[in-house]
Amino acid sequence: QSALTQPPSVSGSPGQSVTISCTGTSTDVRSYNRVSWYQQPPGTAPKLIIYEVTNRPSGVPDRFSGSKSGNTASLTISGLQAEDEADYYCSSYRSSSTLIFGGGTKLTVL
Amino acid sequence: EVQLVESGGGLVQPGGSLRLSCAASGFTFSSYWMHWVRQAPGKGLVWVSLINNDGSRTTYADSVKGRFTISRDNAKNTLDLQMNSLTAEDTAVYYCARDYCAGGSCYSIDYWGQGTLVAVSS
Repeated sequence: QSALTQPPSVSGSPGQSVTISCTGTSTDVRSYNRVSWYQQPPGTAPKLIIYEVTNRPSGVPDRFSGSKSGNTASLTISGLQAEDEADYYCSSYRSSSTLIFGGGTKLTVL
Repeated sequence: EVQLVESGGGLVQPGGSLRLSCAASGFTFSSYWMHWVRQAPGKGLVWVSLINNDGSRTTYADSVKGRFTISRDNAKNTLDLQMNSLTAEDTAVYYCARDYCAGGSCYSIDYWGQGTLVAVSS
């Protein structure tokens, strides 16, 4: 089971916007609106920040937004803050009731 | 407050077995599908297995199929992962995790335990 494809790293300055991509296939991202995004600061458990492509759980700032086009889902963080520095992972439902994660993207706030 | 507390990790020799447990509290355990997710040191998240709310349906990643078994006891609010024929590639922190949706699966995870480390080495 190949992981979804994410860029290894992205960076941005405080106040800027960054977008992290997550590329899958027709058996996962393209076919299902079950894409999620997680934030994982070093040494901590992941935190859900986006589910079902565009939805934010309660308490997640609206600076975080999700979208999808074809095989690729995206997470956009606007108004970048120092506290956003973390690893970010996407996930998607894949056929046969399985879940697949992306390889992760390290966000550096310059 | 939702809490997921894993136990059972440790050092095991290649070919050996280990059973992980997760104690759940702070929510109606029997209503939620549950996952196991692992993370090798310095690496990314990898989904391992999923069980539905009554334990009648399970799925596994190809890498563990036939070697790992997920199960649950709704009377005791516990989730288990029996791991057999372990190899060095199974070395990771194993997280017990709750699916976001009650009564079904959204295939999103809203609560994670702190993880338990499994190290496979001779």
